[in-house]
Amino acid sequence: KAGVTQTPRYLIKTRGQQVTLSCSPISGHRSVSWYQQTPGQGLQFLFEYFSETQRNKGNFPGRFSGRQFSNSRSEMNVSTLELGDSALYLCASSLVAAATGELFFGEGSRLTVL
Amino acid sequence: KQEVTQIPAALSVPEGENLVLNCSFTDSAIYNLQWFRQDPGKGLTSLLLIQSSQREQTSGRLNASLDKSSGRSTLYIAASQPGDSATYLCAKNTGNQFYFGTGTSLTVIP
Repeated sequence: KAGVTQTPRYLIKTRGQQVTLSCSPISGHRSVSWYQQTPGQGLQFLFEYFSETQRNKGNFPGRFSGRQFSNSRSEMNVSTLELGDSALYLCASSLVAAATGELFFGEGSRLTVL
Repeated sequence: KQEVTQIPAALSVPEGENLVLNCSFTDSAIYNLQWFRQDPGKGLTSLLLIQSSQREQTSGRLNASLDKSSGRSTLYIAASQPGDSATYLCAKNTGNQFYFGTGTSLTVIP
């Protein structure tokens, strides 16, 4: 059974650019959550999508957005990149809504903003 | 504000030793608690999930306990091995969102 797949694994952008990250959940999982991990702040919740609807959102600016498709795959977008956006972005899938289920994580997308 | 604390931040033990990792959280309202390990530069691997109605869960050499009244969870690792070296994170689920601790970095010395 395939796990959670995130692409790309590594990317380098410059300030002001925008980036799109992709996450394919475990087959049959309907919930996808996104997290930002940095050495200083640890793991911080970005948002969760369940059955194509944003179910919950963390405390991040509007530059961070996401969506989920009918096949449960999800994308997150960060516009107008800042140096502080450099981080490991992790996606987690869950069979049911994340708040009631077990989370399974992908390997992450490492974003470096220069 | 939800806070999840893991102490110590780093731990170094000789191979074969039994050890306990601690996780404490504010607010006893908890739906479940999940323990993960993270290897450098990698994603998180789920180790154990404890529902709020349970007191402990076991998987192989790992045993996790949950005490809601005191706001604490512990992860017990028996007979540690060098392959156990990683960062261990706990995450409290409030039923609305997961809140993560900052982790304990474990090094098992051969």
